[in-house]
Amino acid sequence: QITLKESGPTQVKPTQTLTLTCIFSGFSLSTNEVGVGWIRQPPGKALEWLALIYWDDDKRYSPSLKSRLTITKDTSKNQVVLTVTNMDPMDTATYYCAHSTLGGYNHWGQGTLVTVSS
Amino acid sequence: QSVLTQPPSVSGAPGQRVTISCTGSRSNIGAGYNVHWYQQLPGTAPKLLIYANTNRPSGVPDRFSGSKSGTSASLAITGLQAEDEADYYCQSYDSLSASGVFGGGTKLTVL
Repeated sequence: QITLKESGPTQVKPTQTLTLTCIFSGFSLSTNEVGVGWIRQPPGKALEWLALIYWDDDKRYSPSLKSRLTITKDTSKNQVVLTVTNMDPMDTATYYCAHSTLGGYNHWGQGTLVTVSS
Repeated sequence: QSVLTQPPSVSGAPGQRVTISCTGSRSNIGAGYNVHWYQQLPGTAPKLLIYANTNRPSGVPDRFSGSKSGTSASLAITGLQAEDEADYYCQSYDSLSASGVFGGGTKLTVL
């Protein structure tokens, strides 16, 4: 059974750096074709694709946020970490991590709401 | 503005058939990249509904089907039920940005 869970602060101040951790079980991020991605959703708005890291450490980023995002993995701990620098109120959203195969996301975490406010 | 374009809303009566379109371009759907569809019920995480254009994960009713042609894809729902009322998103890969992309989402209302 594949599960993922996001953890991190529920609130950050503008200009701060957000660090989110995705802890997963039921699969290995060293298995071919497997990836873990991050997707966010501002309140009442659409899903936004953020970043994806593959089993071979290949990394992909949203072009509009690339300069602010870093995704890393710790295969031994079954964790993927996303950092977002220079947080802004517009970054207020529910952040999801998800397991990826064949380019789609077949298992999602419950999401964590991050509010950016001073 | 999303790279993949979906209608903001669709509606249908119980038992009817509805379709949701997802229009892309030659750098994503038209380039042959897979399209995936998700259903998001209010207050919950998205759920994979269709993967790789036409395939249903186990447990997804066969009332849901996907298709793809050229630079567009579609999700069809037959025998509409009240529980189908949700937001639906398409997703693919874009070669220009070398990143994943989502559609803007479509709200399905069951009348």
